[in-house]
Amino acid sequence: AQSVTQLGSHVSVSEGALVLLRCNYSSSVPPYLFWYVQYPNQGLQLLLKYTSAATLVKGINGFEAEFKKSETSFHLTKPSAHMSDAAEYFCAVSLGDDKIIFGKGTRLHILP
Amino acid sequence: ETGVTQTPRHLVMGMTNKKSLKCEQHLGHNAMYWYKQSAKKPLELMFVYNFKEQTENNSVPSRFSPECPNSSHLFLHLHTLQPEDSALYLCASSAQEDTQYFGPGTRLTVL
Repeated sequence: AQSVTQLGSHVSVSEGALVLLRCNYSSSVPPYLFWYVQYPNQGLQLLLKYTSAATLVKGINGFEAEFKKSETSFHLTKPSAHMSDAAEYFCAVSLGDDKIIFGKGTRLHILP
Repeated sequence: ETGVTQTPRHLVMGMTNKKSLKCEQHLGHNAMYWYKQSAKKPLELMFVYNFKEQTENNSVPSRFSPECPNSSHLFLHLHTLQPEDSALYLCASSAQEDTQYFGPGTRLTVL
């Protein structure tokens, strides 16, 4: 069965600092992996997705994530945090069918 | 602009009321989904429709009744809900087995 674990329900970084949000997955077959962002009072917006092409995936708003099979990880990073990055971030996994399993989410706080 | 719209954005209802949530997608997708997002819980998939046919009912209580009249519209009919049903209800759509795109959600409060 597939599962996703996001480490840390809350992460705080200073403006201009590196953002690192951790995600580990479990899947019996090569998965599709996603990061979504949810701003207050809004739905989920796709940041990026991994579909077995390049292991380093670039997304919108300067985010990227690296697929590491040996570590079963798909951590999300951004070199320099901006105040507008404050939101909740969800890692998700699917087998390419219509079912996506979401993690519990990590709320990112940006400190001025 | 996500291409997926949901109405109403906010809804307050009593336990004896009947109401409906509406979702519309303008992306030409053939699959539509209902999710429930509660505080401190993972996003829960409720229903999946592919080409207007329900392909997934994730053990959802019968007080939630979905309807998909065509590939662009999805409804969630609500009746005799409980306070614990208060949550953000998200609709999503996708092309066959592809990325899901979400609407802004309906914030439901059951009194």
